[in-house]
Amino acid sequence: AQSVTQLDSQVPVFEEAPVELRCNYSSSVSVYLFWYVQYPNQGLQLLLKYLSGSTLVKGINGFEAEFNKSQTSFHLRKPSVHISDTAEYFCAVRSGLNTGFQKLVFGTGTRLLVSP
Amino acid sequence: DGGITQSPKYLFRKEGQNVTLSCEQNLNHDAMYWYRQDPGQGLRLIYYSQIVNDFQKGDIAEGYSVSREKKESFPLTVTSAQKNPTAFYLCASSITGSSDYEQYFGPGTRLTVT
Repeated sequence: AQSVTQLDSQVPVFEEAPVELRCNYSSSVSVYLFWYVQYPNQGLQLLLKYLSGSTLVKGINGFEAEFNKSQTSFHLRKPSVHISDTAEYFCAVRSGLNTGFQKLVFGTGTRLLVSP
Repeated sequence: DGGITQSPKYLFRKEGQNVTLSCEQNLNHDAMYWYRQDPGQGLRLIYYSQIVNDFQKGDIAEGYSVSREKKESFPLTVTSAQKNPTAFYLCASSITGSSDYEQYFGPGTRLTVT
């Protein structure tokens, strides 16, 4: 079974500063990794995903994440945040097995608070 | 535009009443999912369906029921047996058999039971 840990429940940051949201996963098999963003009272929107290939993945809104297999991490980064980036961010993992149903397992989320 | 619609956005019910949440998609996706979101707990899978007329329990199915009579629709009924039904409910869909694995989410329904 897979699990995801987002250690930071809340990350406050000033506008135009860089930010890193941490995600660690646990799995005995290969994995696919995702970052979703949720704005207040809305559904989730995919920011980026790692399926295979380059470990540095670029997503929408200037975000990127790096898959680190040895550290079982998939941290999300942005070099300069905007007020509009204030939202909740969810890391999710799915087994890389292609047999049967493989569910998406979500972390508990990190609330990014960007202030002027 | 293709997407997932959930209605209503806010729903209020009295304790002991069953309530059905609607989820419709026009993405032509085979698979659909229901998640429950509580503060600080992330998303938990209630039920999923990979094909019409078939569905499976997720991690927290007790007190919930679903049907999948049409490809586009996957309604969720929150029954009176659900001990703590107040939550934000999210519906999602995806292509099965695809290497994409992305799930697309609806805007959610916030259910309040008093």
